[in-house]
Amino acid sequence: EAQVTQNPRYLITVTGKKLTVTCSQNMNHEYMSWYRQDPGLGLRQIYYSMNVEVTDKGDVPEGYKVSRKEKRNFPLILESPSPNQTSLYFCASSPSGENTEAFFGQGTRLTVV
Amino acid sequence: ILNVEQSPQSLHVQEGDSTNFTCSFPSSNFYALHWYRWETAKSPEALFVMTLNGDEKKKGRISATLNTKEGYSYLYIKGSQPEDSATYLCAPNAGNNRKLIWGLGTSLGVNP
Repeated sequence: EAQVTQNPRYLITVTGKKLTVTCSQNMNHEYMSWYRQDPGLGLRQIYYSMNVEVTDKGDVPEGYKVSRKEKRNFPLILESPSPNQTSLYFCASSPSGENTEAFFGQGTRLTVV
Repeated sequence: ILNVEQSPQSLHVQEGDSTNFTCSFPSSNFYALHWYRWETAKSPEALFVMTLNGDEKKKGRISATLNTKEGYSYLYIKGSQPEDSATYLCAPNAGNNRKLIWGLGTSLGVNP
């Protein structure tokens, strides 16, 4: 089954404790991205990747890191989480850039206390 | 900053009613427009990606039209069913940085 898998689905952590949210897709998509969704705001892109070893900042990259060492995986790293990073996070992949339909992961609800 | 406006913000209809929503966006440097359906507690699912002025796309009872010259797209649902209850997001790819900008969505509730 074609899918984007994120883990964990839910996470509560403390300020400053490094964490990684994993994302994996099995569709051989070139393009992957991370979004956060906050009440009253549209989805905002954090980082994106056009292909292996190619990543770039989205609209709200501060406090986040990503890597794309393999085509299927695109982990999101929070080196020192802060409460303002409490949010719902989505990973998405698409065949080739933002003009093709995106497939979203199940979402990760992160709470930083 | 590219402004995307979706209207109405929310609406409730009776089962069997037909309905439509609007997505408005600046028409300059247009590349594509996406529609997604987002059910509560799930993740967004793509409905349509539209690129050409005058495009019309259809998937079952849901269809969409695109007017890139005036900067709007309509999403239509014919004969709404309770399972159509969701938030419908539009995201144009336009402007100088060629990035998707996501609207806040139209929340649809269909009463049985």
